Amino acid sequence: DQQVKQNSPSLSVQEGRISILNCDYTNSMFDYFLWYKKYPAEGPTFLISISSIKDKNEDGRFTVFLNKSAKHLSLHIVPSQPGDSAVYFCAARPINTDKLIFGTGTRLQVFP
Amino acid sequence: NAGVTQTPKFQVLKTGQSMTLQCAQDMNHNSMYWYRQDPGMGLRLIYYSASEGTTDKGEVPNGYNVSRLNKREFSLRLESAAPSQTSVYFCASSGTANTEAFFGQGTRLTVV
Repeated sequence: DQQVKQNSPSLSVQEGRISILNCDYTNSMFDYFLWYKKYPAEGPTFLISISSIKDKNEDGRFTVFLNKSAKHLSLHIVPSQPGDSAVYFCAARPINTDKLIFGTGTRLQVFP
Repeated sequence: NAGVTQTPKFQVLKTGQSMTLQCAQDMNHNSMYWYRQDPGMGLRLIYYSASEGTTDKGEVPNGYNVSRLNKREFSLRLESAAPSQTSVYFCASSGTANTEAFFGQGTRLTVV
């Protein structure tokens, strides 16, 4: 049973526009959420995170939004650049554990 | 500036053979993880270790064993490899609670 879901396997966006990647979770006991980016043949790299006590966190072009009532997380990239083309994973940490549960990933393609 | 180092990078095994994947981190992190990545399945947690001397099962532990040899090293062992274990394996580590995990470059394992 997938506790962290990314229902869109792929997304294509034009350079300069906004990319919105979505993530849903089923477990209300998650208290920390993260987004990772992965290029082919490399390990995932951390992008941005948010604690469950917040609803927004911003870092440059990247903003993560958390809607706890809807159990929904989103990553906004503005403006999108070709170098952002990668697979994006959301992840969640259950409260009082060291586990990190990942979603299935969304492949983002940013075209010129 | 090594971070998380995994060996080997590539491996081909015959069904029934055994092998150990090695992982070491130099960031003095308490927690370490083993994930596998399969197409359409995202990153699935195999085992994790919250501290030296402790290990816990993740989402897909069957067919694997782990050892947290010391704070730096966390190994993953396949006692009798099966084709279903063909995957890309990632090791990761994280420090204090609610901090990001850092990943190694991955091991591509093929079981024939």
